[in-house]
Amino acid sequence: GQQVMQIPQYQHVQEGEDFTTYCNSSTTLSNIQWYKQRPGGHPVFLIQLVKSGEVKKQKRLTFQFGEAKKNSSLHITATQTTDVGTYFCAGSSGTYKYIFGTGTRLKVLA
Amino acid sequence: GAVVSQHPSWVICKSGTSVKIECRSLDFQATTMFWYRQFPKQSLMLMATSNEGSKATYEQGVEKDKFLINHASLTLSTLTVTSAHPEDSSFYICSAGPSGITRIDYEQYFGPGTRLTVT
Repeated sequence: GQQVMQIPQYQHVQEGEDFTTYCNSSTTLSNIQWYKQRPGGHPVFLIQLVKSGEVKKQKRLTFQFGEAKKNSSLHITATQTTDVGTYFCAGSSGTYKYIFGTGTRLKVLA
Repeated sequence: GAVVSQHPSWVICKSGTSVKIECRSLDFQATTMFWYRQFPKQSLMLMATSNEGSKATYEQGVEKDKFLINHASLTLSTLTVTSAHPEDSSFYICSAGPSGITRIDYEQYFGPGTRLTVT
């Protein structure tokens, strides 16, 4: 079945450093979504990418969808302590069901 | 955005007993809701799709007789873990699309989750 892997599994950065998490799907995706889950909380939707090669920005966050629509990345510039949490990508192969990635847990050291 | 609530937020039960978890859409009607399971520090695994007025659709490997889902109204879906065992201890989260509509291009709004501990 479809698998969605993320690397790295964990990342510790100093506040102000950049952070990137990579998402790779075993199958071609129609859509990919990104969520953030704070410790003890529930996932919160960040963004959705649909087009091949699409790049979207939200303030310090940059999201990219690969040309082959099998991978995606989330880059955070100048991390802040509020960025702490686990970032999940979730991919759909054409249905309303999304498969969540393995997640990348970000810790920001002040 | 859509507001989804869950009750209880946490529950401890003894092995062999059943536990019911409620998922409510507070400001919209949801014909479809999703149930996920999340083990500590792991990803969310889709367990089943709950459909109002019809049977739930379970993902491969999820025992439908163990995880009973009932979507009896447009604002309430329930997950009952029957004959719970310690290995069922987990974080259970439900979700729904905005306005209760499920489409590939719609995001999901998650409930706050229910932490189940089976002793």
